[in-house]
Amino acid sequence: NAGVTQTPKFQVLKTGQSMTLQCAQDMNHEYMSWYRQDPGMGLRLIHYSVGAGITDQGEVPNGYNVSRSTTEDFPLRLLSAAPSQTSVYFCASSRDRFPGNTIYFGEGSWLTVV
Amino acid sequence: RKEVEQDPGPFNVPEGATVAFNCTYSNSASQSFFWYRQDCRKEPKLLMSVYSSGNEDGRFTAQLNRASQYISLLIRDSKLSDSATYLCVVAVNNDMRFGAGTRLTVKP
Repeated sequence: NAGVTQTPKFQVLKTGQSMTLQCAQDMNHEYMSWYRQDPGMGLRLIHYSVGAGITDQGEVPNGYNVSRSTTEDFPLRLLSAAPSQTSVYFCASSRDRFPGNTIYFGEGSWLTVV
Repeated sequence: RKEVEQDPGPFNVPEGATVAFNCTYSNSASQSFFWYRQDCRKEPKLLMSVYSSGNEDGRFTAQLNRASQYISLLIRDSKLSDSATYLCVVAVNNDMRFGAGTRLTVKP
């Protein structure tokens, strides 16, 4: 039961580098999203997608880019990494955007920008 | 003011104790409410939804007070395995807002 798979689990970047966090789900979910989790703060929504070809910004989108070419995959790109992007990133999926649906999270990606 | 506020804890309780967490939310238009559990360095997982009339799932009881804009989670007969961070989640217009979590440690 793979569920939501995200890679890499750990990454250290230098300021200014770019990278992509990969996310894939095998539950045929329409809704996928990326969150970041920082100490003392709740998970904050970065970008989301309600289906293939459709993406939109969340609460903290600056410095990140996403695309949704297939139902399964939803990569998150850091365009030019900054120390403020040091965080734990979670990819998530649910059947659709209706809040009553359970959100399934990936195991997280720990990113440090130096 | 944060949209969803929780006491960060930590709550340190002995096995068998009853412990309760509260969570307040600021948006009166909030529609749905949930508790998620997050183990250390793991992903959040749904613990239970919170219904208007209150609901129970084994040792866990969740309640909603719309007038005062808070939800609560009660854990009875705490187990060592209940040690985790409990996230309060509130849905506003299909957007999920997460609290920062309340950390619980159950000790032998």
